[in-house]
Amino acid sequence: AQSVTQPDIHITVSEGASLELRCNYSYGATPYLFWYVQSPGQGLQLLLKYFSGDTLVQGIKGFEAEFKRSQSSFNLRKPSVHWSDAAEYFCAVGPRYSTLTFGKGTMLLVSP
Amino acid sequence: KAGVTQTPRYLIKTRGQQVTLSCSPISGHRSVSWYQQTPGQGLQFLFEYFSETQRNKGNFPGRFSGRQFSNSRSEMNVSTLELGDSALYLCASSLAGATGELFFGEGSRLTVL
Repeated sequence: AQSVTQPDIHITVSEGASLELRCNYSYGATPYLFWYVQSPGQGLQLLLKYFSGDTLVQGIKGFEAEFKRSQSSFNLRKPSVHWSDAAEYFCAVGPRYSTLTFGKGTMLLVSP
Repeated sequence: KAGVTQTPRYLIKTRGQQVTLSCSPISGHRSVSWYQQTPGQGLQFLFEYFSETQRNKGNFPGRFSGRQFSNSRSEMNVSTLELGDSALYLCASSLAGATGELFFGEGSRLTVL
């Protein structure tokens, strides 16, 4: 069965500092991997996705993620965090978009 | 272009009642998926509809059902509500089923008392 682990429930980062959110997955075949962001009272917005090819993928809002098959990881990074990035971030894996298995999420807090 | 619209946004029900939630996808999107979000279990896949046919179903009891209409609008129904059904129910639509990016609505927050 497929699963996603986001080991950090909360992370606090100073504004302007770099960010890395961890994601480890378990999946039997080549996975489709995603990062979504959810602001309070909002639905989920897709930040980026990986299907195949270049293992470093660029997304919206300055985010990037690197797929490492040997480590079963798909960590999300941003070089400089802005206060508006405060939200909950979800990593997801699936055979395709519509039947995704999500991690429990990481809440990002940004301190001034 | 209007986004995914879910109604109602908030509702309160009592145990044993049933509830129907509605989702209007983005115009032109034929695939609609439903997810349940709770603090304990996180986001869990409920089901997916494409062209009025249920294509996939998650691991939920038969009390959870859904349907899709010819205009791609979808409804989900939960019968015999339990306290544990309190959750945010998220609908997502996509343009081309398996290959289309999911666009999520803001959700319907159900509270069961």
